[in-house]
Amino acid sequence: ETGVTQTPRHLVMGMTNKKSLKCEQHLGHNAMYWYKQSAKKPLELMFVYSLEERVENNSVPSRFSPECPNSSHLFLHLHTLQPEDSALYLCASSQNPRDYGYTFGSGTRLTVV
Amino acid sequence: DAKTTQPPSMDCAEGRAANLPCNHSTISGNEYVYWYRQIHSQGPQYIIHGLKNNETNEMASLIITEDRKSSTLILPHATLRDTAVYYCIVRPITGANSKLTFGKGITLSVRP
Repeated sequence: ETGVTQTPRHLVMGMTNKKSLKCEQHLGHNAMYWYKQSAKKPLELMFVYSLEERVENNSVPSRFSPECPNSSHLFLHLHTLQPEDSALYLCASSQNPRDYGYTFGSGTRLTVV
Repeated sequence: DAKTTQPPSMDCAEGRAANLPCNHSTISGNEYVYWYRQIHSQGPQYIIHGLKNNETNEMASLIITEDRKSSTLILPHATLRDTAVYYCIVRPITGANSKLTFGKGITLSVRP
């Protein structure tokens, strides 16, 4: 247990479904991140939140919609995904965006059918 | 833009030291060297970081060459549980909104 908890661990969804991934951290960190890891590709940073404000969006399609209601929780809302969006989605947190000691969760394995 | 270069894979025997190399020939003076690892089906785990001096913690040692163009992560007594992908990352000290950018890493296989 790293202190960053992601649910669900596995998710299968159809292309017309709407689902949400949840991330929760109990480390008192102020920055949270979403990463995507596709098969045989490096981790790709999707979004950065600092003190609940989105500070970076790395050209992610609008079918991915992040939400950070408070510094402990981060969501990734998914709708009308494509099969190529199937991947491991990882959440991480750090004390602040300039702190490089990121703590990662175990990820949500998403399969889009 | 690849800031670090790592061999794709290496192996070592259990109980022996694992020395994982990383080249970062274009590193600038305000960039740290970070190492993370990712065990299969888990999220990456921070290991260690350094700027100029060698660093050691309970997990590993980081040796940075004097010209800072390369470094080596040393796992002093590798175990089977150290089998993972190890990422060497260079990051600036300052920057309003940082991001940790991962490359392909090096796959370490520890054999019994």
